[in-house]
Amino acid sequence: GAVVSQHPSWVICKSGTSVKIECRSLDFQATTMFWYRQFPKQSLMLMATSNEGSKATYEQGVEKDKFLINHASLTLSTLTVTSAHPEDSSFYICSASGIVNEQYFGPGTRLTVT
Amino acid sequence: GESVGLHLPTLSVQEGDNSIINCAYSNSASDYFIWYKQESGKGPQFIIDIRSNMDKRQGQRVTVLLNKTVKHLSLQIAATQPGDSAVYFCAEDGGSNYKLTFGKGTLLTVNP
Repeated sequence: GAVVSQHPSWVICKSGTSVKIECRSLDFQATTMFWYRQFPKQSLMLMATSNEGSKATYEQGVEKDKFLINHASLTLSTLTVTSAHPEDSSFYICSASGIVNEQYFGPGTRLTVT
Repeated sequence: GESVGLHLPTLSVQEGDNSIINCAYSNSASDYFIWYKQESGKGPQFIIDIRSNMDKRQGQRVTVLLNKTVKHLSLQIAATQPGDSAVYFCAEDGGSNYKLTFGKGTLLTVNP
């Protein structure tokens, strides 16, 4: 149990375009979902926390207008990278938390902006 | 600011040896700690956790030790196997809103 999926697993987009990443909790209801970004050989950095039905809370330094987060249901959260630039290329990982508050991580999405 | 850090960025061991990965944390309010394993191109995988009211917890081939006096956390892997090769992260939960702060990570390489 406690499986979290992400789609797509990898994506290549052109500079200036937007890309959406989905995070789904497959077998539990996630009241809270977290989005992380990880650059090569670095640690996970929390970008934002989202609770179902409410606005996401962004970490300091993360542009909320650039990284749009929607958590419309208890099993789905989306991260949209708007007007992507090469420096946005990274590994994006989501995690989901239910009643127990333990975080279950997705497999990650590799974004490459050309 | 508060941070979680690691003493050793890389660790290379022989198959069958025991591995010890260390982590220092600075947030004295943290009450929950987790070790994750991350293989290349994959998301973090939960290994073991420990709460601040404990100083030791054992799992299958893994043991986590917590020393609150010096704010130190360690992960011990017994009889390390090639499949254990990965980056290991410690993470702490400050307790306020269940956000995790990750350490820098240690790359464990197991030589056959």
